Amino acid sequence: AQRVTQPEKLLSVFKGAPVELKCNYSYSGSPELFWYVQYSRQRLQLLLRHISRESIKGFTADLNKGETSFHLKKPFAQEEDSAMYYCALSVKTNNNAGNMLTFGGGTRLMVKP
Amino acid sequence: NAGVMQNPRHLVRRRGQEARLRCSPMKGHSHVYWYRQLPEEGLKFMVYLQKENIIDESGMPKERFSAEFPKEGPSILRIQQVVRGDSAAYFCASSPGAGGDYGYTFGSGTRLTVV
Repeated sequence: AQRVTQPEKLLSVFKGAPVELKCNYSYSGSPELFWYVQYSRQRLQLLLRHISRESIKGFTADLNKGETSFHLKKPFAQEEDSAMYYCALSVKTNNNAGNMLTFGGGTRLMVKP
Repeated sequence: NAGVMQNPRHLVRRRGQEARLRCSPMKGHSHVYWYRQLPEEGLKFMVYLQKENIIDESGMPKERFSAEFPKEGPSILRIQQVVRGDSAAYFCASSPGAGGDYGYTFGSGTRLTVV
């Protein structure tokens, strides 16, 4: 069965410190993975997807199929990075009619001054 | 383009009442997804709809919950005879196509409080 695991509910770092938000997945098909960010009381916004291999707001994520991981990294955290971060996996629906997102439980990142 | 619009933003219902949550997808998007976010938890998939069709409702509770996406108008998530455990944020997302490559755009959510 498909599953996305974010082992840390809360990650607290100081401004300027490196950040790594962990994400592991389980999926029998070819994975399509995403990171979404949710700032306080706002809608979820797409941060990045693995197929585009781009860097957004200094964040990067590399898909490691051997370790079934898609960790989110940033070398120097900023206070404005404080938010909820969700890792998501696009999976086929039960009847193969389309795709839907399966989310991890989320990690709250707190960047302290 | 106004994005995915959800209303109301906040909804308070007494136990036993009905809750109706609306979602208007982005212009040109014909695929709608509903997710529920319980306090201190992640987002759980509920249902995936296209115009006039339910594609996957494997995440919907078997009773009291229903969803529709009519030919005209917004998608509606209906919860009958609400209970305290239904209190949550309900998010809607839309996409232009069926594949993950199209991306999903989320609305701001409806926060349902059952008193």
